[in-house]
Amino acid sequence: EAQVTQNPRYLITVTGKKLTVTCSQNMNHEYMSWYRQDPGLGLRQIYYSMNVEVTDKGDVPEGYKVSRKEKRNFPLILESPSPNQTSLYFCASSFRTGNTEAFFGQGTRLTVV
Amino acid sequence: EDQVTQSPEALRLQEGESSSLNCSYTVSGLRGLFWYRQDPGKGPEFLFTLYSAGEEKEKERLKATLTKKESFLHITAPKPEDSATYLCAVHAATGNTPLVFGKGTRLSVIA
Repeated sequence: EAQVTQNPRYLITVTGKKLTVTCSQNMNHEYMSWYRQDPGLGLRQIYYSMNVEVTDKGDVPEGYKVSRKEKRNFPLILESPSPNQTSLYFCASSFRTGNTEAFFGQGTRLTVV
Repeated sequence: EDQVTQSPEALRLQEGESSSLNCSYTVSGLRGLFWYRQDPGKGPEFLFTLYSAGEEKEKERLKATLTKKESFLHITAPKPEDSATYLCAVHAATGNTPLVFGKGTRLSVIA
């Protein structure tokens, strides 16, 4: 089954404790991206990657890191999480950038206390 | 700056009561306009892509249309299972700019 898998689904952590949210897709998609979704603000892109070893900032990259060492994986790293990073996070992938539909993961609800 | 505005923010319909959701956009060259459906606590699910003014796409009770400034998602004779948040997003033709999402329309269909 074609899918984008994120882990964990739920995470509660403390300020400053480094964490990684994993994302994996099994569709051989070139393009992957991370979004956060907040009430009243909608979906905002954090980082995206057009292919292996190619990443770029989206609208709200501050406080986040990503890497793309393999085509299928695109982890999101929070080196020193803060409470304002409490949010619902989605990973997405598509065959290529732009005019092809994106497939989204199930989401990761992160709470930073 | 690329912008997407969806209206209304929320819409409550009786089962069978047809209506339309609006997505207005300003973008420097449209590469594609996308409609997604999102159920509570889940990731957005792709519905349609529209590329040029005049284009229409249909799927069951949903029909999406596109003009040079806006898109409509028409819902004909909705059922309770159509209740969800509907998201509109655009991708600009310039470079690899991010997909810009609207804030969504939360649709409730009452039996």
